[in-house]
Amino acid sequence: SQQGEEDPQALSIQEGENATMNCSYKTSINNLQWYRQNSGRGLVHLILIRSNEREKHSGRLRVTLDTSKKSSSLLITASRAADTASYFCATDAGGGADGLTFGKGTHLIIQP
Amino acid sequence: NAGVTQTPKFQVLKTGQSMTLQCAQDMNHNSMYWYRQDPGMGLRLIYYSASEGTTDKGEVPNGYNVSRLNKREFSLRLESAAPSQTSVYFCASSEGTGGPSYEQYFGPGTRLTVT
Repeated sequence: SQQGEEDPQALSIQEGENATMNCSYKTSINNLQWYRQNSGRGLVHLILIRSNEREKHSGRLRVTLDTSKKSSSLLITASRAADTASYFCATDAGGGADGLTFGKGTHLIIQP
Repeated sequence: NAGVTQTPKFQVLKTGQSMTLQCAQDMNHNSMYWYRQDPGMGLRLIYYSASEGTTDKGEVPNGYNVSRLNKREFSLRLESAAPSQTSVYFCASSEGTGGPSYEQYFGPGTRLTVT
């Protein structure tokens, strides 16, 4: 079963605007990760936030985690056409090597 | 440094045929994974190997077998392919063997069609 659920399923914005996507999950987690997938390609890791962290930054990415609400958000600032991709959250609830549980993803389109 | 490589990139099988998907990583990672991705869905874990010599079932293992041949290679076998196994298959690897998970590195995928 899918642990994470991203919202919205699809998002279209103008280049330069900020994009926010959300992820909700069902059970307690050790950490939460965000991945990007360009069309027809494999997934690329963006950022990992541990359950005892509330916010993390990486370049134009900002991730928040609220374990009390079982939710996370990914903010991409000053979006670029190259940010067009699907974005997935993934959770790790068990042992670290046990694999991740992915949501269905948010498809982000950046209009030039 | 090639990262995670997968072969083949594309494959068409008839129902009942068998095949093996190959995966190799050159990052000296301990853990390796096989996922499948169906249209409009996230990835679902088929099998994983937390360390050389061990394998465990994931969320959707039925119809598949795996072999962790050595630290570098992790293969996925379909013994008798079914149309429901039409999917894109991704192999991934990560550094850790236990404790909180690490980021995973993904291969480019194998697009499999079963007719």
